Amino acid sequence: KAGVTQTPRYLIKTRGQQVTLSCSPISGHRSVSWYQQTPGQGLQFLFEYFSETQRNKGNFPGRFSGRQFSNSRSEMNVSTLELGDSALYLCASGRLAGSTYEQYFGPGTRLTVT
Amino acid sequence: AQTVTQSQPEMSVQEAETVTLSCTYDTSENNYYLFWYKQPPSRQMILVIRQEAYKQQNATENRFSVNFQKAAKSFSLKISDSQLGDTAMYFCAFMKSRAAGNKLTFGGGTRVLVKP
Repeated sequence: KAGVTQTPRYLIKTRGQQVTLSCSPISGHRSVSWYQQTPGQGLQFLFEYFSETQRNKGNFPGRFSGRQFSNSRSEMNVSTLELGDSALYLCASGRLAGSTYEQYFGPGTRLTVT
Repeated sequence: AQTVTQSQPEMSVQEAETVTLSCTYDTSENNYYLFWYKQPPSRQMILVIRQEAYKQQNATENRFSVNFQKAAKSFSLKISDSQLGDTAMYFCAFMKSRAAGNKLTFGGGTRVLVKP
């Protein structure tokens, strides 16, 4: 079974631009979550989508948005990029395992804002 | 809000020896789930082990085991017979009950270096 895939793997953008990142979950997984990882703030939850609906949202400004398609693929968008948005963005695909959910992470997209 | 604390920023261990990573958390929930994730230098986050709060028995996965103390809100990870491939960042994570969705709250991480 293929794992979680994220595209692109690396991205360089300029302040003020916008960016779209893509995540394809493991086949059959309906939950997709996004996380931002930085050296200063660590791993922070952005949002989660389940069956095309946003089910949870973290404490990020409205510049960060996402969506999920009917095939469970998800995209996240960051508008008006700031230098502080430079980070590794991780996508996680979730599945029911017994009475809990397990989340499997993709390799991440490294975003650099200059 | 839930918080997760990993008090050991870095640990080193000799190959074949045992190392224990600590994790404490704060929550008012009764039903929740705890995880340990490993992030090697290649950056792919890997699920190591998980524990449901309602289960008293500590989870074990091969060389990895946990000591779950619910009353103390403690969830430590023991790596036995350490191997060079265990070198990585290890993150402790908390998730509320499944009905609340799949949001993980992570600790700050512990860097583990296995020395030959």
